[in-house]
Amino acid sequence: SQQGEEDPQALSIQEGENATMNCSYKTSINNLQWYRQNSGRGLVHLILIRSNEREKHSGRLRVTLDTSKKSSSLLITASRAADTASYFCATDAENQGGKLIFGQGTELSVKP
Amino acid sequence: KAGVTQTPRYLIKTRGQQVTLSCSPISGHRSVSWYQQTPGQGLQFLFEYFSETQRNKGNFPGRFSGRQFSNSRSEMNVSTLELGDSALYLCASSPASDRGYGYTFGSGTRLTVV
Repeated sequence: SQQGEEDPQALSIQEGENATMNCSYKTSINNLQWYRQNSGRGLVHLILIRSNEREKHSGRLRVTLDTSKKSSSLLITASRAADTASYFCATDAENQGGKLIFGQGTELSVKP
Repeated sequence: KAGVTQTPRYLIKTRGQQVTLSCSPISGHRSVSWYQQTPGQGLQFLFEYFSETQRNKGNFPGRFSGRQFSNSRSEMNVSTLELGDSALYLCASSPASDRGYGYTFGSGTRLTVV
């Protein structure tokens, strides 16, 4: 079964707006990662945040991690139509060598 | 540099047959993982190999198996195919056993079982 729960399942916004996706998980982790997937193709790694980090930025992406609440959020600022995709959080849990546990994903639609 | 290469891209098989999927990781990457993606179950971990050793295995029946070669290329095999095995199979590679890296995924093999 999947560890991560993502919220919302679907999100529709206009270009230029910000998009926020949330992820919750169940067990202790080494790190949490966010991936993007376009139309059922391969996943693209966006950002990794370690368990001892609280916030990380990469370009228009901002990720936060709250290990006490076992939750993370991904913020995409000034969204573009090209950001339309499914976004997944994945946890690298302690004592689970090489195994990522994915959430069910958030489907983001950015309208021009 | 070249990304993760998965072959074939598409495959149609009949129930009861077996199938072998191939994954070539990024040069220098020693960890290769496999995932199954379906609309109902989402992304599910199959197994992970590092330096030819299976380090972890997901909750899949024994019909699903894999291996890694000395050049880090990996194959997964599914025997006695069932309709429910229809899915996108994704391979991912990572540089080392230090899991502070993200994974680079291939474009996947879409398997259809009829």
